[in-house]
Amino acid sequence: GQNIDQPTEMTATEGAIVQINCTYQTSGFNGLFWYQQHAGEAPTFLSYNVLDGLEEKGRFSSFLSRSKGYSYLLLKELQMKDSASYLCAVSDSNYQLIWGAGTKLIIKP
Amino acid sequence: GAVVSQHPSRVICKSGTSVKIECRSLDFQATTMFWYRQFPKQSLMLMATSNEGSKATYEQGVEKDKFLINHASLTLSTLTVTSAHPEDSSFYICSALEGGRHTEAFFGQGTRLTVV
Repeated sequence: GQNIDQPTEMTATEGAIVQINCTYQTSGFNGLFWYQQHAGEAPTFLSYNVLDGLEEKGRFSSFLSRSKGYSYLLLKELQMKDSASYLCAVSDSNYQLIWGAGTKLIIKP
Repeated sequence: GAVVSQHPSRVICKSGTSVKIECRSLDFQATTMFWYRQFPKQSLMLMATSNEGSKATYEQGVEKDKFLINHASLTLSTLTVTSAHPEDSSFYICSALEGGRHTEAFFGQGTRLTVV
């Protein structure tokens, strides 16, 4: 079966760095997405990785290792507004998105 | 980036009535639209995939006669929750793919449905 695993909840301090991991097992692979979702709102796109390596975009970076079925989202210089759920999703062989359950990130002052 | 508009953002309806939710792609043609449901503290659950001009493909366990999906044009898909019950109360979100691009799905703002 298809499976996406990510931690349920993480806590970090304002100004610090946090890494949210995601492991996946899917039928085929056409890319991995990270989305941010604030409570009561729709997800917003953060990053897309289809090749191995690190993609950096401002304070956010995303890494992918296809051989390991592994990705992480790295958030630097954490701000209180970064408190949200972070969803990992994989596009499978049919380009259907398989979603992880999301990681709730709590930022403390 | 591309914009997907979903309407209404919030709706309260009485048990037994029907509710229609619209999802529009404003500046691109969406050949494929997805409808998701999200219960509190849970991830998105795909309900159905709709392709313009054809019948929607429903995920296992989703009643196609209860959740009617129409994708009559390249810019509009609708989800109608028929004979709504309190257990249908949820956050419904649509997303759209632009043409042949599969690198990013654009999401609507979501609709909070409360059935009383």
